[in-house]
Amino acid sequence: DSGVTQTPKHLITATGQRVTLRCSPRSGDLSVYWYQQSLDQGLQFLIQYYNGEERAKGNILERFSAQQFPDLHSELNLSSLELGDSALYFCASSIREGLYGYTFGSGTRLTVV
Amino acid sequence: KNEVEQSPQNLTAQEGEFITINCSYSVGISALHWLQQHPGGGIVSLFMLSSGKKKHGRLIATINIQEKHSSLHITASHPRDSAVYICAVIPYGQNFVFGPGTRLSVLP
Repeated sequence: DSGVTQTPKHLITATGQRVTLRCSPRSGDLSVYWYQQSLDQGLQFLIQYYNGEERAKGNILERFSAQQFPDLHSELNLSSLELGDSALYFCASSIREGLYGYTFGSGTRLTVV
Repeated sequence: KNEVEQSPQNLTAQEGEFITINCSYSVGISALHWLQQHPGGGIVSLFMLSSGKKKHGRLIATINIQEKHSSLHITASHPRDSAVYICAVIPYGQNFVFGPGTRLSVLP
């Protein structure tokens, strides 16, 4: 157990639907990062939060949004889902804004049918 | 051209062999990570490097900043080392840029 908890582990949903993925960072970590891993694109950075504030954005679609709450857990919201959104979504956390002491969660596998 | 390239793409080795995975990148970076992704999907950060060499057990990682190249070595490989190894660089002021990964299979 890495200390970073992601729920759910698996999610199957239909096109057009909306889902929320949840991430609880390791205790003491203030930064949360979201990544998408699809078969054709590999791992891609989506978005980073630090202590509740958005810090960096990567290749995140407008249909996707995220937030980090006062208790430091984060949620990634994916809406108007398309087949191509099927992927593994990873959350990672680190104690600071920089990429030190970096720990990944086990991921949420999203399947859009 | 991808910013981060890895070679080989796939690698099959016999247990006990010495393994080298290479990573080349084209941008200036502040650091480089080597990640291990198990068949079940989980990702583990193995090393973070900004210069020189690091060793952890049977794993050794080196980086040459001038040549924009890093290597991951596995000594006395074991079937449990079978995984995808991903090189990830951190360009200045940016977040991770990931390599395509190297799929390693170690046969008993």
